Amino acid sequence: DTEVTQTPKHLVMGMTNKKSLKCEQHMGHRAMYWYKQKAKKPPELMFVYSYEKLSINESVPSRFSPECPNSSLLNLHLHALQPEDSALYLCASSQLGGEMGNTEAFFGQGTRLTVV
Amino acid sequence: AQSVSQHNHHVILSEAASLELGCNYSYGGTVNLFWYVQYPGQHLQLLLKYFSGDPLVKGIKGFEAEFIKSKFSFNLRKPSVQWSDTAEYFCAVNPPFSSNTGKLIFGQGTTLQVKP
Repeated sequence: DTEVTQTPKHLVMGMTNKKSLKCEQHMGHRAMYWYKQKAKKPPELMFVYSYEKLSINESVPSRFSPECPNSSLLNLHLHALQPEDSALYLCASSQLGGEMGNTEAFFGQGTRLTVV
Repeated sequence: AQSVSQHNHHVILSEAASLELGCNYSYGGTVNLFWYVQYPGQHLQLLLKYFSGDPLVKGIKGFEAEFIKSKFSFNLRKPSVQWSDTAEYFCAVNPPFSSNTGKLIFGQGTTLQVKP
């Protein structure tokens, strides 16, 4: 199984709503990632979890709150978002490289988020 | 600033034409290198990867890439493109000192349009 599963596929939320994006992988990967991708742009890293601990936060606003309940699951909690936060949110997972070993990332299909 | 550059933003080719997409990075030290493809409406898929060893790497769907360390380049090639290769192509780098994670820095992407 080399899949990363994200739910929901589409989400429309108001600026006062609270919602969560979910991501799951069963490849035994100990690193998981959230990326944000705007239309016609490359993915931009938001967060990295290593061994269920937050290891990288790329200066993401606090209205985005990541959570890693266990080694297979990654959530992104959303609160008080702005219309400019509308984007495709991608989850990915990989092994932990160690001395620049295999760090191939597997991506989910993403959640297309629209903030109204 | 350290970055990943893709020289071609939009490439239009006829079927059976040869393809070469440029990618340069500005990180010193050991890096892992990737090319990803994103077909319309689909998720990112790995085309090929370079970690070490033979600098000429072969990927899926007839794609190959050559790592030239002295030029900080990792160009993607395909001898004969097909209409089904129409997609967005992203070069990505796993930079040094990424906490052994698969953190990726993406280039801006190249839109490839293949005319039948």
